Amino acid sequence: AQKVTQAQTEISVVEKEDVTLDCVYETRDTTYYLFWYKQPPSGELVFLIRRNSFDEQNEISGRYSWNFQKSTSSFNFTITASQVVDSAVYFCALSDAPRNGNEKLTFGTGTRLTIIP
Amino acid sequence: EPEVTQTPSHQVTQMGQEVILRCVPISNHLYFYWYRQILGQKVEFLVSFYNNEISEKSEIFDDQFSVERPDGSNFTLKIRSTKLEDSAMYFCASSFPSGSYQETQYFGPGTRLLVL
Repeated sequence: AQKVTQAQTEISVVEKEDVTLDCVYETRDTTYYLFWYKQPPSGELVFLIRRNSFDEQNEISGRYSWNFQKSTSSFNFTITASQVVDSAVYFCALSDAPRNGNEKLTFGTGTRLTIIP
Repeated sequence: EPEVTQTPSHQVTQMGQEVILRCVPISNHLYFYWYRQILGQKVEFLVSFYNNEISEKSEIFDDQFSVERPDGSNFTLKIRSTKLEDSAMYFCASSFPSGSYQETQYFGPGTRLLVL
């Protein structure tokens, strides 16, 4: 069975600090996909990144970066120079490789990030 | 940019009543999903739908739930007889058909359902 663990329930940092959100996953599959979604206070789920299990290169997008390490089954998310607008709940999610079409997402419990002005 | 839309944004209903939650997926997407999020908890998969039939459903998606694509644009979730524990945010999502890789699911803004 698949499982995603986000051990950090809540994190607060002062604006402009860097912050890393941890995600550890479990799956029996050798091919799988990892995602991060952002849920701002307004409630919607905003897609941030998709990564497949064969691509272990770290990715940077502006102030956001992701560190994928298969050896530790982790897919951590770092925000550099945090801003108040980064305040949200962040969810890590996992899916199998598609078999009969797109597979369901298994979400972690989320990390609530608060950026203090 | 195309987006998934959902109506209503909020719905309050009495226990035992039927509710229909509506979604308009992104127009060229062919896979549709419903997820729910009980307040303060994680997002949970309910059902996926493709080619006018259910692809997969979770154990949450029992006989009280049904999905339908009544026309070329809408995708609905019906709860036949609501229970208190159905109170949650319900998210619709859609994606392109997958090839050999998993497509990204794009989520709507959600419908907050409160069962009294």
